[in-house]
Amino acid sequence: AQSVAQPEDQVNVAEGNPLTVKCTYSVSGNPYLFWYVQYPNRGLQFLLKYITGDNLVKGSYGFEAEFNKSQTSFHLKKPSALVSDSALYFCAVRDRRAYSSASKIIFGSGTRLSIRP
Amino acid sequence: EPEVTQTPSHQVTQMGQEVILRCVPISNHLYFYWYRQILGQKVEFLVSFYNNEISEKSEIFDDQFSVERPDGSNFTLKIRSTKLEDSAMYFCASSDSSDPRGLEQYFGPGTRLTVT
Repeated sequence: AQSVAQPEDQVNVAEGNPLTVKCTYSVSGNPYLFWYVQYPNRGLQFLLKYITGDNLVKGSYGFEAEFNKSQTSFHLKKPSALVSDSALYFCAVRDRRAYSSASKIIFGSGTRLSIRP
Repeated sequence: EPEVTQTPSHQVTQMGQEVILRCVPISNHLYFYWYRQILGQKVEFLVSFYNNEISEKSEIFDDQFSVERPDGSNFTLKIRSTKLEDSAMYFCASSDSSDPRGLEQYFGPGTRLTVT
C-alpha cells in the first residue's frame, strides 16, 4: 500500500535561516511525488512535483525538494525562510503504475511550518 | 489566474439530511476530484471523475456519496444522508486536459461541512 510519512508535526525556523520539511514515502517502484501548501482558510496550493530526471526539483516561492531513492525521501527545502512561508505543508505521492485517468494522490499528515521574525 | 471555486464556504446540516457541495473547476480542465480533510487529520481522496464517469473511488466513497457534472461548468458532490462523521472540509480539485495522470491538481478553497 502507498503511504507518506511526515515525521514532524511542527517545524520552527528563524527568518533568514534555511528550512527543511521532511517527507518519506512507501510505494512500490518509482512514484510521482508532490508538495502542497495550505494557508489559513485557503485550499491546497501546488508547490512542486518530481516526475523523472534531476533529483533536485525547483518549485514556487523559492522552494525546492530533493528526491532520494535510496532513502525513499522527498524533503522540502528553502535556503532562506520568510515569515510569509508560515503555513501547513503536505507531502503527497501517486503511484506511477496507476494507469487510470485522474488517479488519486495520497497525502501525508502535514507539517506546520512556523517562521519567527 | 484561473482558480477552482467552491460553494458554500460553510454548510451546516442536520444528521440524515442531504447536502450538495458545489465546485466550479478551471474552465479547460477535464479531470475532477473530491478530497476531504477531517479536522486535524490528513487530506483523503474520495473520488476522481472524467468523461462523465467515475475513474476511481476510495473506500470512503460509499453509496451515500455521488458525484455529477450537471452542466459544462459545475461539479457536485452529494451526500444522501449525512452522518456526524461526515463533518469535514471538502476540497474539489481539477487537472488540465493535457494532464490525464492528474500530476498537477488545482484545489479549491474547500467547503466546511458541519453535521449536527
